[in-house]
Parts: sequence; C-alpha cells; structure tokens
Amino acid sequence: AQSVTQPDIHITVSEGASLELRCNYSYGATPYLFWYVQSPGQGLQLLLKYFSGDTLVQGIKGFEAEFKRSQSSFNLRKPSVHWSDAAEYFCAVVTGFQKLVFGTGTRLLVSP
Amino acid sequence: DAGVIQSPRHEVTEMGQEVTLRCKPISGHNSLFWYRQTMMRGLELLIYFNNNVPIDDSGMPEDRFSAKMPNASFSTLKIQPSEPRDSAVYFCASNQGDAGYTFGSGTRLTVV
Repeated sequence: AQSVTQPDIHITVSEGASLELRCNYSYGATPYLFWYVQSPGQGLQLLLKYFSGDTLVQGIKGFEAEFKRSQSSFNLRKPSVHWSDAAEYFCAVVTGFQKLVFGTGTRLLVSP
Repeated sequence: DAGVIQSPRHEVTEMGQEVTLRCKPISGHNSLFWYRQTMMRGLELLIYFNNNVPIDDSGMPEDRFSAKMPNASFSTLKIQPSEPRDSAVYFCASNQGDAGYTFGSGTRLTVV
C-alpha cells in the first residue's frame, strides 16, 4: 500500500541551527507530496507541496523540501530555526484518487 | 475566503448520545475529507467525497459513524451512539485540483 514514513518521532534543535526532517514515501508513480505543520491545539497548515517539475520546493516560513526519487524521500529543511517553529510536522502523500495519507508526524522542539 | 469552517469547535457529550459534526468547505473545492486525530493513531482518513459523492469510506471505523454531503457547501459526520473511545479531534479538509488540501480548525470531541 502507498504510504509515507517519518522515522523521527521527536527532534530537538537549538534556535538558530539548521533543521532537516525526514520523510520517505512508498508509491509506484510520481507522487504528490506535502508538508504540513500543526501547532498545539491548532489545525494543519500547508507548508509546501510537490507535484512535478523542480525537485527543490520553496514553502512558507522559510521552509524548503527536496524531492529525491532515487531515495524515495521528501525531506523538509530550514537553514535557521526560530523558537516559533516548535510544532508537529506531518509529511503526506496523495494515493489513489485524491486520497491524502499522512505520516505519523515529527515533533520539533527548539531549545534556547 | 473564510477557509474550511467546522462547527462546533468543542463538543462534550455523554456516552450513548448522538453527535453531529459539521463542515463547510471552501467554495469551488470539489473534494471533501474527514479525518480523525488521536495520540494513538495519528491522523486517520475516515471518508472522502468528490462532487458530493462518497468515494472511499474504508476508514470509517464502525457503523456507528456516518457521513453525508447533501450539497457542495455542507457536510456532516455523525456518530450514533457515541462512545468514550470516539474522543478525538475531527478535521475536515477540502481540495480542488492542485490547489492543495486546506484544513479546518477541527472539532475536539470528548465523550464521557
């Protein structure tokens, strides 16, 4: 079955340091991939999406992600993390007909 | 655009009662999705509609759960009878083509 895996449950990063959150997908065709962020008690906000074309995708809040077909990965990056980036991050893939399936999420903690 | 609107934001009900969650998708979006989020299971897709027609309801946990979309601007998710294990945050999302999936703020359901 098509799915997405986020291997890190928690990640702690110092404020100002760089960030990379991992996402691996399992899908036969070219996937539609997304990253969402969820702050405590809030809904999900779309950070960025990849459908086709340029494999480096720019998103909101200074985030970017790179699609690597050879590694079946779509890792999220940010060069310098701010305390306000502390949240839960979800990778998602569209499977079948518009069916959006989420990974288990990675909780980002930002230390001073 | 007001985004995806869900009501109520919070619902506390007694076991055995009927619960109805409501969702208004973004105008012009032709797909609507209901998700459930819990600590144990993460984000689960319950059911989704395309052009008001249910496409995949394989995620609906039991016959106690039902969903309808009588028109393009309104959907309901009903639980009857409710049980404590139904306590979760329920999200509605809508989508149109490559626009990206937009989520509502969610309904936090507590069944006591």
